[in-house]
Amino acid sequence: KQEVTQIPAALSVPEGENLVLNCSFTDSAIYNLQWFRQDPGKGLTSLLLIQSSQREQTSGRLNASLDKSSGRSTLYIAASQPGDSATYLCAVRGSQTDSWGKLQFGAGTQVVVTP
Amino acid sequence: DAGVIQSPRHEVTEMGQEVTLRCKPISGHNSLFWYRQTMMRGLELLIYFNNNVPIDDSGMPEDRFSAKMPNASFSTLKIQPSEPRDSAVYFCASSLERGDTEAFFGQGTRLTVV
Repeated sequence: KQEVTQIPAALSVPEGENLVLNCSFTDSAIYNLQWFRQDPGKGLTSLLLIQSSQREQTSGRLNASLDKSSGRSTLYIAASQPGDSATYLCAVRGSQTDSWGKLQFGAGTQVVVTP
Repeated sequence: DAGVIQSPRHEVTEMGQEVTLRCKPISGHNSLFWYRQTMMRGLELLIYFNNNVPIDDSGMPEDRFSAKMPNASFSTLKIQPSEPRDSAVYFCASSLERGDTEAFFGQGTRLTVV
């Protein structure tokens, strides 16, 4: 059974610092890994999608890496801003018969960027 | 496309009443997911459909919960009878059936059972 873990659960940094968020998963049989952002009381916004064959994906200040064999992904946010304050969630999409297509989430990392 | 559309956005109901949550996936998407989010348990996958067929409903908590997808553009999640512990935010998401594609979420329905 796939288990997705995000560490740390919460993170507070001063504006301008780089953010490093970690995601680990137990079953490497995945199609892809997706990072989401959730603001309080809102839905989930997709940030980046990394296919299982990719090592890295970038969008603006965001960079996500994937090491499928070790079951890890890292989301880097460069030069953080107060507007980056939110909860960040990672999700993996299973490719095994018993998990095919399932999108399973970690518990998230709550980020606060102080001015 | 308007994205994944859920209704209602907020629902307050009394214990024992039937509740129906609705979802319209993105046009052309043929995978649909229902999730429940609470502070204690995070995001839980309840059920997901491919091409209108339920593939995995192992996350449905009990028989009081049921989900249908009568066509490619509409799905419902029903709770009957509702209980206070069902209070949560319920999300619907959709994607293409191909496993290597991105999933998109609706804004959620906040359910309060009193």
